[in-house]
Amino acid sequence: GQSLEQPSEVTAVEGAIVQINCTYQTSGFYGLSWYQQHDGGAPTFLSYNALDGLEETGRFSSFLSRSDSYGYLLLQELQMKDSASYFCAVRAGGYQKVTFGTGTKLQVIP
Amino acid sequence: DGGITQSPKYLFRKEGQNVTLSCEQNLNHDAMYWYRQDPGQGLRLIYYSQIVNDFQKGDIAEGYSVSREKKESFPLTVTSAQKNPTAFYLCASSRTSGGSDTQYFGPGTRLTVL
Repeated sequence: GQSLEQPSEVTAVEGAIVQINCTYQTSGFYGLSWYQQHDGGAPTFLSYNALDGLEETGRFSSFLSRSDSYGYLLLQELQMKDSASYFCAVRAGGYQKVTFGTGTKLQVIP
Repeated sequence: DGGITQSPKYLFRKEGQNVTLSCEQNLNHDAMYWYRQDPGQGLRLIYYSQIVNDFQKGDIAEGYSVSREKKESFPLTVTSAQKNPTAFYLCASSRTSGGSDTQYFGPGTRLTVL
């Protein structure tokens, strides 16, 4: 099966940069995704990496190293509205099978 | 507007009763998914379907059943065999082709079994 590890909680200051790491163990890896979920809401897609390297989308960037089974989400210029849970997810073991990590709760403080 | 709808938002049932959660999408996506989320936890895959009339068990399928008779619809039945059914249930859909891997989620159904 698939397993993912990410920190359970992270606290950062408004305007700062924060990195959320994700390590995974899978078979038949296709790609790593990141999702944001505010309390009580549904997850929303942030980014996807299938190949090694950095993908940038506005204030958010995501990195993948397939050889290290490791990825991270980088959030820049943090805003209070970025306080949420962030999940990494792997597509593996069958193209349509997606496994989520347990999530990292980010608290942005003034 | 394209999207995924789940109904109802809140659902209460007595222990021992089966209950069916609705999920409909008009995004023309082939793949659909059901996840369960417990408080402070991640999403765990219950069932997924890549195409009409076909579906596969996820990591926690015991006590659940699904059907995929139409592309737009993927209802989930929580049976009395599910020991701890109280949870937040999320439905999602995605394309089956390669490229960007985006799952679109519905608003979820909070099921409470009394």
